Parts: sequence; structure tokens; C-alpha cells
Amino acid sequence: QKEVEQNSGPLSVPEGAIASLNCTYSDRVSQSFFWYRQYSGKSPELIMSIYSNGDKEDGRFTAQLNKASQYVSLLIRDSQPSDSATYLCAAVYNQGGKLIFGQGTELSVKP
Amino acid sequence: DAGVIQSPRHEVTEMGQEVTLRCKLISGHNSLFWYRQTMMRGLELLIYFNNNVPIDDSGMPEDRFSAKMPNASFSTLKIQPSEPRDSAVYFCASRYLSGAHTDTQYFGPGTRLTVL
Repeated sequence: QKEVEQNSGPLSVPEGAIASLNCTYSDRVSQSFFWYRQYSGKSPELIMSIYSNGDKEDGRFTAQLNKASQYVSLLIRDSQPSDSATYLCAAVYNQGGKLIFGQGTELSVKP
Repeated sequence: DAGVIQSPRHEVTEMGQEVTLRCKLISGHNSLFWYRQTMMRGLELLIYFNNNVPIDDSGMPEDRFSAKMPNASFSTLKIQPSEPRDSAVYFCASRYLSGAHTDTQYFGPGTRLTVL
């Protein structure tokens, strides 16, 4: 099993809908997780981080961490075409503190 | 504040040539990461430094790749000799290492390398 796994998508949702992005992780990563957004041709930018079990909300974004099931998700409410991007899930590797990234999920929000 | 600065933004070279990519950390940051991104392999960590010291270079593909930090705010990634399979976008990221697992990495704009 890879340390961090995501479905590559593409995930397509209509404007205004809730987009749900999921990520699973292995025992080799710690309990610190990050969601980065990457627009085509641009660099990744951090949008959310989560360290505790449960939900964390920031505007239209909600990150959810379920340690028992070893998954972390990102919900985007009221999706906008400007949310169309690749979303990268990342976790801190247990040894050394480096970030391990998933393959990314491509999100397309249709007007 | 200026973000992470990378140069050049684009590089086209021929197979066998030496390529040097440069990165300037965010002021006050003390940890630097070099990543490579391709469609096939995604975002891969090549090497990272804490306080100028290389911590993990297990992602460096082979001896053709080398990275240095000649000072606390600057790093180079060198490929010699370059090969077409090195074509990718190379990102540099920096962070302030406080010891907390919450330390955030900030990415530079990347260098798009094409080796013909």
C-alpha cells in the first residue's frame, strides 16, 4: 500500500454542488494531514490542514479526519468553476518529517 | 514578503548538457525541499535540508542529480548530464522548522525543464 492514496478522478460536479475528495493513508505516516490545491501550470498552495479526529471548517472548505478508518477527506460546499483544479492530499511521514503526497484528484466544476 | 523564488522558470536544453536550477527560501525559513512533478509519477520529493544539512536524499534518482545549500537562504539542484527522462517541473518549497508537525511548506512557482 502506498503511504497516501487518492482517486485520480476526474471528479465532475455541477456548480453549487458539494464536491467530496477522499484520501486514505497507511501506518507509515503520522496524524498530520494537508490539502493542497494546484491549478494547471501553477504550484501547489495549501488550503487546509487537519491534525485531530473530526471536522475542521474554513469557509466553504471542510476537512474531515477519521483515524480509525485511516482516511481524510475534503468537502467543498457551493462549488464554483474557480474550484476546478487538482487537489493533493499530503501527510507527514513518520520518520524525518517529510511530506508524502498522493497522486492528486482532478476536480472539474461545470457551470 | 516575497515567496519562494525559483530560476529559471523555463529551461530547454539538449541531452548531455548540465542543468542548474536555483531556489531562494522565504526569509526566515530554515528548511528546503526539492520536488519533481510529472504526469506519470506525480509530485515526488527528491531531497530536503534542515538548517543547511541534507536530511533525506533517498528520492534523488541517481548520481546525475546533486543538490547543495551554499548558504542558509539559497539552494541549487544540478543535473549532469541531463537526459530526456529528466523533463519535468521542478518545485522548491520552504518552511520554518519549529519542530511542530504542523509546519507548513510553501512552494515556489517551479521550473519547467525540457531535455531534448
